[in-house]
Amino acid sequence: TQLLEQSPQFLSIQEGENLTVYCNSSSVFSSLQWYRQEPGEGPVLLVTVVTGGEVKKLKRLTFQFGDARKDSSLHITAAQPGDTGLYLCAGGRETYKYIFGTGTRLKVLA
Amino acid sequence: NAGVTQTPKFRILKIGQSMTLQCTQDMNHNYMYWYRQDPGMGLKLIYYSVGAGITDKGEVPNGYNVSRSTTEDFPLRLELAAPSQTSVYFCASSKTRQGREQYFGPGTRLTVT
Repeated sequence: TQLLEQSPQFLSIQEGENLTVYCNSSSVFSSLQWYRQEPGEGPVLLVTVVTGGEVKKLKRLTFQFGDARKDSSLHITAAQPGDTGLYLCAGGRETYKYIFGTGTRLKVLA
Repeated sequence: NAGVTQTPKFRILKIGQSMTLQCTQDMNHNYMYWYRQDPGMGLKLIYYSVGAGITDKGEVPNGYNVSRSTTEDFPLRLELAAPSQTSVYFCASSKTRQGREQYFGPGTRLTVT
């Protein structure tokens, strides 16, 4: 069974701090997605990365896909309370299926 | 454009009962998926479909069945509900072949007692 491990599992920080969450696997993925999920709602796609070493920026969020396409990171600069949520990574292979990680639950305190 | 809609939002079942979770999308997406999310866990794929009339098993298909008679609808059937099926169920759809940009519904919270 493919596993996508995310770390840390939980993170509580003050507004304005920076943070990085990680998504690691022993498997190679053709693409990797990051989602944010808020309580009572479905996940919402933030970004898809497809090339090893690729870096994408979305305002204060920076996503990187590892060179070997086995891992990814999400860095948030100057976190805000609105960033609070469950962050999920999902790895895709050459099929229609994605494997989801266990998630990082982030809480940003005002 | 409603996106992906799911009904019901909440449901309590007794052990052994059956029910169908409904999922509809209005984006003309070919690919549709059912996931379950247990507390503190990521999503696990139950079944998926690449088009009307075509379905296939995901990671955790036991105890579930699906059908895809139209592009829009992808119902999930639970037969003989068990406490292990207590979970939040999400339906998703995507347009592209590699399942990128999955759009998720709001979920159905199911409790089996």
